[in-house]
Amino acid sequence: SQQGEEDPQALSIQEGENATMNCSYKTSINNLQWYRQNSGRGLVHLILIRSNEREKHSGRLRVTLDTSKKSSSLLITASRAADTASYFCATGPPYGNNRLAFGKGNQVVVIP
Amino acid sequence: DVKVTQSSRYLVKRTGEKVFLECVQDMDHENMFWYRQDPGLGLRLIYFSYDVKMKEKGDIPEGYSVSREKKERFSLILESASTNQTSMYLCASSFALGKSTKNIQYFGAGTRLSVL
Repeated sequence: SQQGEEDPQALSIQEGENATMNCSYKTSINNLQWYRQNSGRGLVHLILIRSNEREKHSGRLRVTLDTSKKSSSLLITASRAADTASYFCATGPPYGNNRLAFGKGNQVVVIP
Repeated sequence: DVKVTQSSRYLVKRTGEKVFLECVQDMDHENMFWYRQDPGLGLRLIYFSYDVKMKEKGDIPEGYSVSREKKERFSLILESASTNQTSMYLCASSFALGKSTKNIQYFGAGTRLSVL
């Protein structure tokens, strides 16, 4: 099955800076999603971008999708200490069931 | 708000015990999923169910079984727990593609299982 791969794996930034994470995948997709996981908790959906979209915004989040390169990026602007978490990308297949293929996650630490 | 509730946050079991992990969702979702999460390996799908009494194997089903007798409840069963099943287990649910164009998954808080 296809799988998202985030890059870089770990990021440490100062509060107020921007954080950028990348995700690559291998096969065709219907959509790509980003989730956040706070330490020891479940994942929370952040944003979904469809395969026919190139960019999407939600508050301080900006997601881009380049289907020709099979890659996506998540930008968090003006980071806060509360943004400290692991971020996962997940891809949905173009047909069939509702399985998502998750990447291994990208740990972000925002230093106050 | 969607709520996915996992019955235990922490669980400690002995090798060879039969273990039940329960998950309940309150949004009338058709799909339910069980994942395990291990450091460096991300989320791996164990089993999922797209309807009552229906199930499909995920990527790592060995050593696990599932039960879905009611739409809102999805149970993960470890028939004979082993130490290599020590992990964080996450349950999730979502609408079927026919009901929603977005296959967003909603997760429970997770169960951290230790098998000694």
